[in-house]
Amino acid sequence: LAKTTQPISMDSYEGQEVNITCSHNNIATNDYITWYQQFPSQGPRFIIQGYKTKVTNEVASLFIPADRKSSTLSLPRVSLSDTAVYYCLVDPNYGGSQGNLIFGKGTKLSVKP
Amino acid sequence: ETGVTQSPTHLIKTRGQQVTLRCSSQSGHNTVSWYQQALGQGPQFIFQYYREEENGRGNFPPRFSGLQFPNYSSELNVNALELDDSALYLCASSFGDEQFFGPGTRLTVL
Repeated sequence: LAKTTQPISMDSYEGQEVNITCSHNNIATNDYITWYQQFPSQGPRFIIQGYKTKVTNEVASLFIPADRKSSTLSLPRVSLSDTAVYYCLVDPNYGGSQGNLIFGKGTKLSVKP
Repeated sequence: ETGVTQSPTHLIKTRGQQVTLRCSSQSGHNTVSWYQQALGQGPQFIFQYYREEENGRGNFPPRFSGLQFPNYSSELNVNALELDDSALYLCASSFGDEQFFGPGTRLTVL
């Protein structure tokens, strides 16, 4: 059973900032929050991971409030190629190297021209 | 490109048959995990192998079995195929933290 809740779908236009929020009310103290991106007929790809506050990399930013019961993935200035399904996971193992990554249904982001 | 390859890319089988799917891990990765992804769903964990031993299993029946070889490539075997086994099967290799997924094998059971 997935430990996260996300919107099923979102629409955006090229050049806009997209924020996808994930709820994880029962997050454990040792859980990390990880986001994956998946294109059709491809495997998921790691985007970003965080534990608290804010994390930024070349692809996205991740905002985590103090209570850690939710998180927001922010994609700046999306393009058509950002159309994909985005999964939010909580896991006690950094990156899930112990296996057993628990995926929900994810958020299907559609970017329009 | 993650360096993880899977074969075949597509496969069609009939109910009751057996199938073997293959995964070649990224160089140096000693851990491989297999996932099943039904249409419109997120990937579901099947099992993981570490240094040729099963190291964790999800809620899948025994007819789903696996092997990992000394070169860390691996196989997923499914016996007595059922219609609900139709899915994208993903393998992911890791050494330490991050899991790197392959492109998957699309299995259709008729």
